[in-house]
Amino acid sequence: EVQLVESGGGLVQPGGSLRLSCAASGFSFSSYSMNWVRQAPGKGLEWVSYIASSSNIIHYAHSVKGRFTIARDNAKNSLYLHMNSLRDVDTAVYYCARDIQTRGDAFDIWGQGTMVTVSS
Amino acid sequence: QSVLTQPPSVSAAPGQKVTISCSGSTSNIGNNYVSWYQLLPGTAPKLLIHDNNKRPSGIPDRFSGSKSGTSATLGITGLQTGDEADYYCGTWDGSLSAGVFGGGTKLTVL
Repeated sequence: EVQLVESGGGLVQPGGSLRLSCAASGFSFSSYSMNWVRQAPGKGLEWVSYIASSSNIIHYAHSVKGRFTIARDNAKNSLYLHMNSLRDVDTAVYYCARDIQTRGDAFDIWGQGTMVTVSS
Repeated sequence: QSVLTQPPSVSAAPGQKVTISCSGSTSNIGNNYVSWYQLLPGTAPKLLIHDNNKRPSGIPDRFSGSKSGTSATLGITGLQTGDEADYYCGTWDGSLSAGVFGGGTKLTVL
């Protein structure tokens, strides 16, 4: 079964750090670009970051650039999001999503999401 | 405020047809492919349409997509109560070098 499973969410204080992980199974992870997308409570979807299959191309949303770092380990079929200097506006469910192409414009497989709460 | 503009809500009766619009610009919809997603409460987004009008395996042909210039449209025919959900359009923005989504449209099947 094609599957993505996120982990690493939780409660963190403003200014703190957190690392999210996404474990992929059932497909050739190293062949696909991957993305992180988030949804704040009561809000819409917000694209966060993109990483190409070989990590040679990386993009970030303006709102997280300089604070978040996306990375992947193809040997471990895993995607990561390192989040630093967290703010209350970063509170959201974070999803990892597989790119159906390589363009960052269509995501066909999504994880169940992991909740990140930034609060004192 | 979202880069792509969608109506906040649409409604129609069971069995009827509804369309949801998504408006952008040349830097996003005008020069890139559009995708559409369905969000049911408490579940992960589900891809309905990619590459403007292509349905992934398992998506019924009641769902269709189209694009013209800097706008895109999702169509749903034969509405069912199970179609009540939030729908989002998405694409890539070349000027921002970022993925972008619409603000979402809540579909109510009366």
